[in-house]
Amino acid sequence: DGGITQSPKYLFRKEGQNVTLSCEQNLNHDAMYWYRQDPGQGLRLIYYSQIVNDFQKGDIAEGYSVSREKKESFPLTVTSAQKNPTAFYLCASTPRRTGTTNEKLFFGSGTQLSVL
Amino acid sequence: DQQVKQNSPSLSVQEGRISILNCDYTNSMFDYFLWYKKYPAEGPTFLISISSIKDKNEDGRFTVFLNKSAKHLSLHIVPSQPGDSAVYFCAASAKTGTASKLTFGTGTRLQVTL
Repeated sequence: DGGITQSPKYLFRKEGQNVTLSCEQNLNHDAMYWYRQDPGQGLRLIYYSQIVNDFQKGDIAEGYSVSREKKESFPLTVTSAQKNPTAFYLCASTPRRTGTTNEKLFFGSGTQLSVL
Repeated sequence: DQQVKQNSPSLSVQEGRISILNCDYTNSMFDYFLWYKKYPAEGPTFLISISSIKDKNEDGRFTVFLNKSAKHLSLHIVPSQPGDSAVYFCAASAKTGTASKLTFGTGTRLQVTL
């Protein structure tokens, strides 16, 4: 079945540690996204990538880094510079690179990151 | 600055009745709107969308209404079912010429009671 796979489901980070969240899709989608959800808040865009080896900062990119070496993979690293990393992280994808008025995001099942 | 607002954090509706979830936006460049449904510890799933050239879109029990002059949209669920209990996010998109970047509201938790 086609879909977006995020792993792990739960992740714990120690003080000063970098952690990487995995996102893999087999939908052959061009664009991929990382969102963060905090309780009582909407989803906020961290980074997005329209094509392999290219990515742009979203609204809250500080303390995060990404790579897009393969079309199907878009890992997110939460660095020690991110002082409030506890949140639910969602990866998403869309089929096309260019913006239209009919796109929709397909989401993975998320990773809950907590600080020890 | 919250460009997409869902002012009701929660809503409780009896099974079989109508659920009405509201969303307001401030950015006049938004021209495409979506509703997503989310269960705890899962990713959101797409529910229904509407473009600014329409004022209504219907899909089964779900209808979205758009009032551009008021910058307001609403999602109607009729009849409401217990399985509809979830958090509903409104999202909006502006034409950027690049990949879509959705702006999400804060969500409304719907509880459908028996």
